[in-house]
Amino acid sequence: DSGVTQTPKHLITATGQRVTLRCSPRSGDLSVYWYQQSLDQGLQFLIQYYNGEERAKGNILERFSAQQFPDLHSELNLSSLELGDSALYFCASSTRGEGEAFFGQGTRLTVV
Amino acid sequence: GIQVEQSPPDLILQEGANSTLRCNFSDSVNNLQWFHQNPWGQLINLFYIPSGTKQNGRLSATTVATERYSLLYISSSQTTDSGVYFCAVPVSSGSARQLTFGSGTQLTVLP
Repeated sequence: DSGVTQTPKHLITATGQRVTLRCSPRSGDLSVYWYQQSLDQGLQFLIQYYNGEERAKGNILERFSAQQFPDLHSELNLSSLELGDSALYFCASSTRGEGEAFFGQGTRLTVV
Repeated sequence: GIQVEQSPPDLILQEGANSTLRCNFSDSVNNLQWFHQNPWGQLINLFYIPSGTKQNGRLSATTVATERYSLLYISSSQTTDSGVYFCAVPVSSGSARQLTFGSGTQLTVLP
């Protein structure tokens, strides 16, 4: 167990819908990262938050957004979903944005 | 940005065999991680190894930062070692430390 908790584990939804993925980082970790793993793109960095503030953006679509709350949990919001958004979404956390990153079990999103 | 290349892309072994997986990176890094993604999709931390050699049971890793590569050794492989092995390096910019992943090595260990 990495200590990073993601919910839900599986999500099936229709095109055009909106979903929210949730992540609780390891105790004491201030930095949260979101990654997307699809068959054709591999593991891609989406966005990083550090102590509530956005610190870095990767290949995140405008239809996607995220935030980190005062209790340090984070949510990734995916809207106007398309078939191509089907993927495994991972959250990771690390201490102060440096050092070893630990990953949650992922949320497997299927858009039908 | 930094490029991370892993080889081989696929590897099939008989149980009990040894193997070496390689990770090359295009720029200097201050740390490197190895992960195992099991058949259920979970990413499991294997090593956090900026340089030198570390060992954990049947697995060991060596990073030669000056030559920009890392090796993961698996000895006496077991069927439970099957899965995808990723290396990842950080792209640092200010306080941002996101990881760039290689494309992975798909390992299949046959009984």
